[in-house]
Amino acid sequence: DQQVKQNSPSLSVQEGRISILNCDYTNSMFDYFLWYKKYPAEGPTFLISISSIKDKNEDGRFTVFLNKSAKHLSLHIVPSQPGDSAVYFCAASAYGSSNTGKLIFGQGTTLQVKP
Amino acid sequence: EPEVTQTPSHQVTQMGQEVILRCVPISNHLYFYWYRQILGQKVEFLVSFYNNEISEKSEIFDDQFSVERPDGSNFTLKIRSTKLEDSAMYFCASSTYRGNQPQHFGDGTRLSIL
Repeated sequence: DQQVKQNSPSLSVQEGRISILNCDYTNSMFDYFLWYKKYPAEGPTFLISISSIKDKNEDGRFTVFLNKSAKHLSLHIVPSQPGDSAVYFCAASAYGSSNTGKLIFGQGTTLQVKP
Repeated sequence: EPEVTQTPSHQVTQMGQEVILRCVPISNHLYFYWYRQILGQKVEFLVSFYNNEISEKSEIFDDQFSVERPDGSNFTLKIRSTKLEDSAMYFCASSTYRGNQPQHFGDGTRLSIL
């Protein structure tokens, strides 16, 4: 089941620069997308989300962009900080009468921010 | 900030034994979920629970699995007869609403089946 894919297993950026994490999906019924950050030995921590009626959502240093025609979303972190080093998961949900909120996750991208 | 709490953090069990994983969701949340992550693999949906019944379950969630909300605060996942392949991190999550609201996750229980 590859409905949500993060094709880059890892990304390394310099502190202060922009980090761009990418996610592709195949299910056109997905209409709510989320990014989670995960440190070792902890659970996923919610970062930011976007509904399919929008193409951009911003929260501080984090911005998520959604391109529905390309079935692609990305997370931009500006400026990147060493504390941002973690695994980032993209997740998606399909809202509808039968939807129970089930999230479908990508494989994750490990971000390393170098001082 | 309210948190989802899970106990125990690590559970070691002999194959064939029953195990119960416990979760205390955020107090005003209404929707509850279990996910698991086998080492090196994706986080996978197991089951969603609302209004004291299962809303949806995945193919993984077979007859060996059950969930319960025995009181107003706890949400449990039971595996009746564990198998080696049940070894994974199990995450509990909760949300206020099933759509367009983020799910908040606990730190997980690492289940090791020997």
